[in-house]
Amino acid sequence: AQSVTQLDSQVPVFEEAPVELRCNYSSSVSVYLFWYVQYPNQGLQLLLKYLSGSTLVKGINGFEAEFNKSQTSFHLRKPSVHISDTAEYFCAVSAANAGKSTFGDGTTLTVKP
Amino acid sequence: SAVISQKPSRDICQRGTSLTIQCQVDSQVTMMFWYRQQPGQSLTLIATANQGSEATYESGFVIDKFPISRPNLTFSTLTVSNMSPEDSSIYLCSVLRRGTGNSYGYTFGSGTRLTVV
Repeated sequence: AQSVTQLDSQVPVFEEAPVELRCNYSSSVSVYLFWYVQYPNQGLQLLLKYLSGSTLVKGINGFEAEFNKSQTSFHLRKPSVHISDTAEYFCAVSAANAGKSTFGDGTTLTVKP
Repeated sequence: SAVISQKPSRDICQRGTSLTIQCQVDSQVTMMFWYRQQPGQSLTLIATANQGSEATYESGFVIDKFPISRPNLTFSTLTVSNMSPEDSSIYLCSVLRRGTGNSYGYTFGSGTRLTVV
């Protein structure tokens, strides 16, 4: 079975500052990793995913994440955030090519002016 | 990616009643999932809906409370039975597309916001 830990429940940052949202996972098999964003009262939107290949993954809205197998991490980063990035962010893991996903508890990113 | 239509988008129900949520996909998919998102919390998998066989439920979820149907490869329903206020949540369906290369991924419905009074 897989598990996910999002290390920060809330991350407040000022506009135009860089941000990192941390995600660690646990699995005995190869995994696929995902970051989703959920804006208030809206559904889930995929930001980016790691399936294989390059460990640095670029996604939408200027976000990127790096897969680190030795540290079992998949941290999400953005060099300069906007007010509109305020949302809930979820990290998720699934066994490679095997089906269901397990979600972390989420990180609330609040961007202040 | 797949397009999912989930209905209803929201409902307010009396305790003790049941609500059936529908999930329609625009293409055939093997794997469909149902999740619950309680207020202010993350997504918890209820079950995997398998076409042609019974759903596979996660620990803490039972078929009598959350019966699932999967009559074909594009449609599934989740029923929340004998509802109580604790069932007030957002319920989401999700599908997995096992495409080649980087097309592998999950799509989520817009969710059903259920309030039980």
